[in-house]
Amino acid sequence: EVQLLESGGGLVQPGGSLRLSCAASGFTFSSYAMNWVRQAPGKGLEWVSAISGSGISTYYADSVKGRFTISRDNSKNTLYLQMNSLRAEDTAVYYCAKGRNPARFMDWLDPWGQGTLVTVTS
Amino acid sequence: QSVLAQPPSVSGAPGQRVTISCTGSSSNIGAGYDVYWYQQFPGTAPKLLIYDTGNRPSAVPDRFSGSKSGTSASLAITGLQVEDEADYYCQSYDSSLSAVLFGGGTKLTVV
Repeated sequence: EVQLLESGGGLVQPGGSLRLSCAASGFTFSSYAMNWVRQAPGKGLEWVSAISGSGISTYYADSVKGRFTISRDNSKNTLYLQMNSLRAEDTAVYYCAKGRNPARFMDWLDPWGQGTLVTVTS
Repeated sequence: QSVLAQPPSVSGAPGQRVTISCTGSSSNIGAGYDVYWYQQFPGTAPKLLIYDTGNRPSAVPDRFSGSKSGTSASLAITGLQVEDEADYYCQSYDSSLSAVLFGGGTKLTVV
């Protein structure tokens, strides 16, 4: 069974940093692109970032470009999101989601993890 | 305002048919990119409902169907059931923005 388990969320002050992790199991991790998607409280889904199966190619939403860095460790079956210069508007539940194949990050996202809450407040 | 526009809410009675629209543009749906639909219950992660515009994962009932025409896509739900009450999101890719896009979401109420 494919499982994705996010961790690392919490309370952080504006301007601070946080690193999210997503532990994957039940599939060949390096064979799939992975994505981060966030959902602000009471709001809709917003795509944040994606990374190819090899980790060579990365993609970002304009809202996080230059502040967030996506990476993966295929030896540990783990996806990461390093978030710097955090703002109040980054407050959201962050989900990791498995892509369709190693390269096509823009296709379906399935499954999703249960999410981890990041709250940016002073 | 989302690039992919969805109605904020739709409603229907049990047994009825409802459709949820997802309106894009020539740089996303109109450019031929596939559309995906997700179902989300409160407090839970989204679940893939429709992939490649009109295909259903095996566990999804055939009451759910997807289609596309021009720059818009639609999710149809027939034989509405109370347990279909949830938020529904469309997803596609935009070549101008080089980004994955989600619609703003539609809350389905079964009354």
